[in-house]
Amino acid sequence: EAQVTQNPRYLITVTGKKLTVTCSQNMNHEYMSWYRQDPGLGLRQIYYSMNVEVTDKGDVPEGYKVSRKEKRNFPLILESPSPNQTSLYFCASSLTRTAAGTEAFFGQGTRLTVV
Amino acid sequence: GESVGLHLPTLSVQEGDNSIINCAYSNSASDYFIWYKQESGKGPQFIIDIRSNMDKRQGQRVTVLLNKTVKHLSLQIAATQPGDSAVYFCAEKPGGYNKLIFGAGTRLAVHP
Repeated sequence: EAQVTQNPRYLITVTGKKLTVTCSQNMNHEYMSWYRQDPGLGLRQIYYSMNVEVTDKGDVPEGYKVSRKEKRNFPLILESPSPNQTSLYFCASSLTRTAAGTEAFFGQGTRLTVV
Repeated sequence: GESVGLHLPTLSVQEGDNSIINCAYSNSASDYFIWYKQESGKGPQFIIDIRSNMDKRQGQRVTVLLNKTVKHLSLQIAATQPGDSAVYFCAEKPGGYNKLIFGAGTRLAVHP
């Protein structure tokens, strides 16, 4: 079954304690991205990756890092989480990165609370 | 369930009626548009897409209309069912950029 898998689904952590949210896709997609979703704001892109070892900032990258060492994995790293990073996070992947546009497959989400 | 829909506009419809969800997009250079459905506790799910060189596209029970003159997108759902209850997002892809810009979403509530 084609899917994007995020872990963990729920996480409560304390300010300043480094954490990683994993994302893996089994569709051999080139393009992967991370979004955060906050009430009334829709989804905002944090980082994206066009292919292995190619990453770039989205609209709200501050406080986040990513890496793309393998095609299937795209972890999101919070080196020093702060309460304003409390949010619902989604990983997405898509087949193509051409200008024609693409359909993104989303993971189930990770609810992060930073206290 | 998740709390992302707390402050969203809500469209309430009777089961069996047609629903129309509207979206105003921001960038006149956007060349691709997508509608997503998000059920409580789940990630967004692709419904239908449309390219900027089209003004209408139909799927199964859904139709997307694009009016580039006024930068307006709509999603029509025929014979709305309880399973259609969810938050619906439109997304636009600005031309030349590999990213999607999402709207804030509309909650669809279907009543029996």
